[in-house]
Amino acid sequence: GQQLNQSPQSMFIQEGEDVSMNCTSSSIFNTWLWYKQDPGEGPVLLIALYKAGELTSNGRLTAQFGTTRKDSFLNISASIPSDVGIYFCAGQLNSGYSTLTFGKGTMLLVSP
Amino acid sequence: DTAVSQTPKYLVTQMGNDKSIKCEQNLGHDTMYWYKQDSKKFLKIMFSYNNKELIINETVPNRFSPKSPDKAHLNLHINSLELGDSAVYFCASSQELVQGNEKLFFGSGTQLSVL
Repeated sequence: GQQLNQSPQSMFIQEGEDVSMNCTSSSIFNTWLWYKQDPGEGPVLLIALYKAGELTSNGRLTAQFGTTRKDSFLNISASIPSDVGIYFCAGQLNSGYSTLTFGKGTMLLVSP
Repeated sequence: DTAVSQTPKYLVTQMGNDKSIKCEQNLGHDTMYWYKQDSKKFLKIMFSYNNKELIINETVPNRFSPKSPDKAHLNLHINSLELGDSAVYFCASSQELVQGNEKLFFGSGTQLSVL
């Protein structure tokens, strides 16, 4: 099956720093998504990307759909303590019905 | 109001027991799912139901049997629990089967510990 390589596996940063994480795939995806999981909760959708090259923001978060359609990036600017959590990328192969393939997550810790 | 609610939040049980996890969504979605998150936080789909019909069964052991009495509910029954079943199980829903199914709404999870 498809595999997503997400990096870094974890990050420990100071409040106010910018963060970048990325996801690469051996397959071409039609949709890339980024989810965040707070401790003890289920993942929540942050950003959905539908076109190669697309750049989308959600507050301090910005995500891009790579031009090769095999990668995606998520940036968080001016991090704050509530950004702590696990960030998952997810890819979907077809515009028709297909399930999501999730990356293994990036655990973000933010020190006040 | 919680959009996707699952119970119980925590489930501790002995090997060999049978247990159930319930899930309900009040979003009016057509499609519901069960995901398993292992100790390394990897999320893997187990089942997908659309309007009470099974769409996906991702090589899950027969001991796991989902049941969907209506499109707002998808319960998970597990027979003869094994140590390796210990994980966090997430219920999720999406608006449609085809378009919009990438936007998953997850429940808060059920942490299953098999002793």
